[in-house]
Amino acid sequence: KAGVTQTPRYLIKTRGQQVTLSCSPISGHRSVSWYQQTPGQGLQFLFEYFSETQRNKGNFPGRFSGRQFSNSRSEMNVSTLELGDSALYLCASSTNGRTQETQYFGPGTRLLVL
Amino acid sequence: AQSVSQHNHHVILSEAASLELGCNYSYGGTVNLFWYVQYPGQHLQLLLKYFSGDPLVKGIKGFEAEFIKSKFSFNLRKPSVQWSDTAEYFCAVNAPSGGYQKVTFGTGTKLQVIP
Repeated sequence: KAGVTQTPRYLIKTRGQQVTLSCSPISGHRSVSWYQQTPGQGLQFLFEYFSETQRNKGNFPGRFSGRQFSNSRSEMNVSTLELGDSALYLCASSTNGRTQETQYFGPGTRLLVL
Repeated sequence: AQSVSQHNHHVILSEAASLELGCNYSYGGTVNLFWYVQYPGQHLQLLLKYFSGDPLVKGIKGFEAEFIKSKFSFNLRKPSVQWSDTAEYFCAVNAPSGGYQKVTFGTGTKLQVIP
């Protein structure tokens, strides 16, 4: 089975721009979660999607949004980029997003905001 | 709100030394616990997990962890580390949020093993 894939792998943007990141889960997985990883804050939960619905959300401003398509692929959008948004954005998938399921992580998209 | 503490931020060991990485969490209910590893240049991988049953769980590559409910701890151990264990280790707690996943990670421990 192919793993979780994320595109693009690297991105450079400038302040004020917006960016869209994509995540394709493992085949058959319907739950997709997004995380932001930074050296100072570690891994922080952004949101989780299942069947095109956002079920859980972390403590991030409204500039961070996402969506999920009927094939379970998910996108994350960050508008009005700030320098502090520079991070590794990780996507993880699991079968149904239940608490006893293991999440499988993608390689991440490294975003640099200048 | 749940939280996870990893008190060791950077650990340096010589090969063959024993390893114990601390992890404490705060959440009063039933939790599912994980240890993930991130090798240099690679993505997060699951080392081991605890859902229920025997509190001593064994994972890949000789790692094990013990869940001590009274101490809200889930420490990671390995009797003899190798240079290839150099990586960053993350403890994570998955507690129900409306019945669904909401995983909280610790800040990570960087392990450096010296040959």
